[in-house]
Amino acid sequence: RKEVEQDPGPFNVPEGATVAFNCTYSNSASQSFFWYRQDCRKEPKLLMSVYSSGNEDGRFTAQLNRASQYISLLIRDSKLSDSATYLCVVNSLDRGSTLGRLYFGRGTQLTVWP
Amino acid sequence: GAVVSQHPSRVICKSGTSVKIECRSLDFQATTMFWYRQFPKQSLMLMATSNEGSKATYEQGVEKDKFLINHASLTLSTLTVTSAHPEDSSFYICSARDRNNSYNEQFFGPGTRLTVL
Repeated sequence: RKEVEQDPGPFNVPEGATVAFNCTYSNSASQSFFWYRQDCRKEPKLLMSVYSSGNEDGRFTAQLNRASQYISLLIRDSKLSDSATYLCVVNSLDRGSTLGRLYFGRGTQLTVWP
Repeated sequence: GAVVSQHPSRVICKSGTSVKIECRSLDFQATTMFWYRQFPKQSLMLMATSNEGSKATYEQGVEKDKFLINHASLTLSTLTVTSAHPEDSSFYICSARDRNNSYNEQFFGPGTRLTVL
């Protein structure tokens, strides 16, 4: 079973739409959670960290459900510039490690059309 | 925000040559840097974890003698792909963790696109 699973999409939505991405992780001891965005042929860029109480950054809202091991990202009022691949990322401790490593989902592709 | 640079951004080389990629944290100290590889339409795959002043920890299936990692300072790690072959062609990305960041966020370099002919 993969550490992080997410629907690869693609999601094709019109400008102004609201879109939600979901992700599940397998390691119940995972400590930190993130959403990254990756544009075509570019490196991943941190979009937002995901905190237990949920958090919002402008049009972006992230939620974490530790009991269900589930993470979500909601994008409101989609812009053309939101078109990218969104990576669900989980930091988990490996045996003997004190800081852990990142595990990446395959990414969900989003295209926002005018 | 934290900035990580990577050099070179693109390399085209002949089969059998060695290629060295540098990763630098520009405005923070990184006790740990990571090297990833990404093939087209696939997720990032961790190759190795590089700790300053000690040997790198390689993931299963990654040959340590082929992918040499050196992390000589708190701001620089290098990856050398030795005797590169066409199957090594990929997008190599480094990341660095700020030693003062309690949430363990990682920041990525812009990547190096390696093409081996």
